[in-house]
Amino acid sequence: QKEVEQDPGPLSVPEGAIVSLNCTYSNSAFQYFMWYRQYSRKGPELLMYTYSSGNKEDGRFTAQVDKSSKYISLFIRDSQPSDSATYLCATDIRYSGGGADGLTFGKGTHLIIQP
Amino acid sequence: NAGVTQTPKFRVLKTGQSMTLLCAQDMNHEYMYWYRQDPGMGLRLIHYSVGEGTTAKGEVPDGYNVSRLKKQNFLLGLESAAPSQTSVYFCASDGGYEQYFGPGTRLTVT
Repeated sequence: QKEVEQDPGPLSVPEGAIVSLNCTYSNSAFQYFMWYRQYSRKGPELLMYTYSSGNKEDGRFTAQVDKSSKYISLFIRDSQPSDSATYLCATDIRYSGGGADGLTFGKGTHLIIQP
Repeated sequence: NAGVTQTPKFRVLKTGQSMTLLCAQDMNHEYMYWYRQDPGMGLRLIHYSVGEGTTAKGEVPDGYNVSRLKKQNFLLGLESAAPSQTSVYFCASDGGYEQYFGPGTRLTVT
């Protein structure tokens, strides 16, 4: 059964704090793990994707995957008011040549960074 | 390079009316997808296509039909709209390892 669990929040933190966003998934066949950011009334924007267990860093953002516990995380350092948005985790099973039959999303966490 | 575009941006329909949503991508991607997003439900896959001329059902396909006659376009049709189809519809395309989303179509069925 495809399922990704994510706390919808809202999560409110002061500017400059480290933010931790988390998801769990149930299907061990999931291979790729993504984080999308969605501003109000906009389409989801891909932030990061990872394939293997471990950490991947991009500027202030770090994505972490633990396949043994089926747990994925996104950390935001030095959070800014402009980071206020809904963050969606997603996962899929990729074809051998790339592509997939669609992403399975968590419900999204609404993040508020207070100035 | 416009990425993924969707037409129209907003639409209000009466129950029983039909309409077609158009998605276009200029990235030469093989894979295209239609999702709907509802409060408290997240994004759910309606239909998808793995190449020109192909379509497949996703998680919530009932009440929708799709066509992929050209590689760059993916159409989503509602033959007889119902209030339960009030939602925000997102199209996405995938070139192999990343899905890019359009800006969405906000549909209200009264």
